[in-house]
Amino acid sequence: QQQVKQSPQSLIVQKGGISIINCAYENTAFDYFPWYQQFPGKGPALLIAIRPDVSEKKEGRFTISFNKSAKQFSLHIMDSQPGDSATYFCAARDDKIIFGKGTRLHILP
Amino acid sequence: DAGVIQSPRHEVTEMGQEVTLRCKPISGHDYLFWYRQTMMRGLELLIYFNNNVPIDDSGMPEDRFSAKMPNASFSTLKIQPSEPRDSAVYFCASSLEGQGGPTGELFFGEGSRLTVL
Repeated sequence: QQQVKQSPQSLIVQKGGISIINCAYENTAFDYFPWYQQFPGKGPALLIAIRPDVSEKKEGRFTISFNKSAKQFSLHIMDSQPGDSATYFCAARDDKIIFGKGTRLHILP
Repeated sequence: DAGVIQSPRHEVTEMGQEVTLRCKPISGHDYLFWYRQTMMRGLELLIYFNNNVPIDDSGMPEDRFSAKMPNASFSTLKIQPSEPRDSAVYFCASSLEGQGGPTGELFFGEGSRLTVL
């Protein structure tokens, strides 16, 4: 049973554009929603995270939007750059951290 | 600190052989996690330890998989016998507090890419 559904599976965005990755969940016991970034040949690394009592969190060009009633959250990357090309995982935590299947993002130069 | 260290980085073996993957967590981290990454299933939690004790192994696919943590600085994931469907990247991660603590941050190693022929 997939507890965190992530889309799209892959995404191509022009340099300078906005990249948007969406996630949905069912378990209302989740208390924390981190996003991880993974470059080829490396392990995932925490990028940004949000608690369910906050509707938005911004760190530089990265923003999480959270809709508790819809059980959805999304990652927005503003002014996307080729260096942002990576795989992005949304995740949710109750007694363990459950990851989405990932989105392979490619930013065209 | 050097971060989470995994070995080997790449392993190619034949079906039926025993595979042992190794992990050294960040010093002082009390929690250690083993994840498996495939294109089809993404990142799956296999097992995690707290203070060297296995807490949740519900993600271990079957009896062919076993994990141990004999001390705070070393863990192994063993597959015996290995099968082609075990081909994946296996990640070890550690954290200071349970499930990443307040920040939800797990520190991942660079992974061990396993290919079973």
